[in-house]
Amino acid sequence: GAVVSQHPSRVICKSGTSVKIECRSLDFQATTMFWYRQFPKQSLMLMATSNEGSKATYEQGVEKDKFLINHASLTLSTLTVTSAHPEDSSFYICSARWWEGLSITDTQYFGPGTRLTVL
Amino acid sequence: SQQGEEDPQALSIQEGENATMNCSYKTSINNLQWYRQNSGRGLVHLILIRSNEREKHSGRLRVTLDTSKKSSSLLITASRAADTASYFCATGGAKRSYNTDKLIFGTGTRLQVFP
Repeated sequence: GAVVSQHPSRVICKSGTSVKIECRSLDFQATTMFWYRQFPKQSLMLMATSNEGSKATYEQGVEKDKFLINHASLTLSTLTVTSAHPEDSSFYICSARWWEGLSITDTQYFGPGTRLTVL
Repeated sequence: SQQGEEDPQALSIQEGENATMNCSYKTSINNLQWYRQNSGRGLVHLILIRSNEREKHSGRLRVTLDTSKKSSSLLITASRAADTASYFCATGGAKRSYNTDKLIFGTGTRLQVFP
C-alpha cells in the first residue's frame, strides 16, 4: 500500500515553455501533498505544501507564479513550471500523507521523482 | 536554515561491515524519520522514531534518538552491496497542525558498500 506515482518520469523542454508534473496517490486519499526539489548530490528542499481543495502554501523564496500547484482531488496534485528556464532543471519529487483515525500520518510516501531538463 | 546536518557526508565500507550515520537538528521535534534514496529515484521510508523514544529497531536497522543533544544515529548492521544509497534524516515538527506540519530533511549521507 501507500504508493505514489509521478508522471512523467523524465521531461526535456525548450526554454520558455511550461511543463506540468502530476503526482498521484494510487491506493489512498492524500489529504496533503508536498513538492520538493533536489539538485544533484544535495538534499530535498521543500517547495510547497498542498492541501486538497485549498491554495498551496509556498516556502520562502519559492515563486508561486513560477511554480503553480493544484490539488484538485484527494488523489492528484499537479506542479506546473511556467516559462521554464535552464536554471529550473532539477529533480522534482512529490510526497503524500493522509488522515489515519483522528490524526494525520507522520510518514510521507514519496513518488519516484521527475527529472526536468530545460534546454 | 533549519536543515539538519548529517555526517559523514560520504561513507565507503565493505560488505558485512556496519555503517553508522549521524544526524543533528536544531528545533524541537515530534518525530525523526530516516529515508533512503537510490540514485535518481524517489525516497523510501525506513523508520520513524518519536521524540519520547530512545531507540528503535527494524531488521538490520537500529535508530537512536537523543533529544537533549538534538541528534540521532542510524546503524545498518551486516551491510550489503544493495544498501548502497543516500540516507536522509528528516524531522517532523512539534506543532501538530496537519496543514502546516512538514519534514525538514538533513543533508544526507552517501553510503557505498563494496562487495
